[in-house]
Amino acid sequence: DSGVTQTPKHLITATGQRVTLRCSPRSGDLSVYWYQQSLDQGLQFLIQYYNGEERAKGNILERFSAQQFPDLHSELNLSSLELGDSALYFCASSVARRDTEAFFGQGTRLTVV
Amino acid sequence: DAKTTQPPSMDCAEGRAANLPCNHSTISGNEYVYWYRQIHSQGPQYIIHGLKNNETNEMASLIITEDRKSSTLILPHATLRDTAVYYCIVTSGSARQLTFGSGTQLTVLP
Repeated sequence: DSGVTQTPKHLITATGQRVTLRCSPRSGDLSVYWYQQSLDQGLQFLIQYYNGEERAKGNILERFSAQQFPDLHSELNLSSLELGDSALYFCASSVARRDTEAFFGQGTRLTVV
Repeated sequence: DAKTTQPPSMDCAEGRAANLPCNHSTISGNEYVYWYRQIHSQGPQYIIHGLKNNETNEMASLIITEDRKSSTLILPHATLRDTAVYYCIVTSGSARQLTFGSGTQLTVLP
């Protein structure tokens, strides 16, 4: 158990819909990262937050957004969903901004039908 | 970040050492070598990292060549639970710069 909690574990939704994925980082970790893992793209970095502020953006679509709340949990919002958004979404956390020893949650499997 | 090359798959007998190679010939001086693994669609798990010296922890050992152009992850006594995809990552940055390539699928055989 990494200490990072993601909910829900599974999500099935229709095209065009909007969903919210939630991540609770390890106690004491200030950085939260979101990754997407699809069959054809592998694990890709989406976005990083540090202590409530956005720090880095990767290959995140404009239809996707995220935020980190004062209690340090984070949410990833995916809107206007397309079939190609079906993937595993992982959240990771680390203590500081530049740590590379990140601890990953078990992921949310999103299926868009 | 430097690119890495890993064999797509390897087998290892249970109880034997698993030696997973990684080439990173374009590594620069400030870049570390990290190893993560992913067990069947679970979240990636940190294993070990190093800069230029060999490293050992409770999970594995990391051997980095003197020129730092390649490294080997060693699982000393592989078990069936070590069956996973192992990723070698070279980076100077933070977790956002973890570029997961294709990795090596290690299968530990009974």
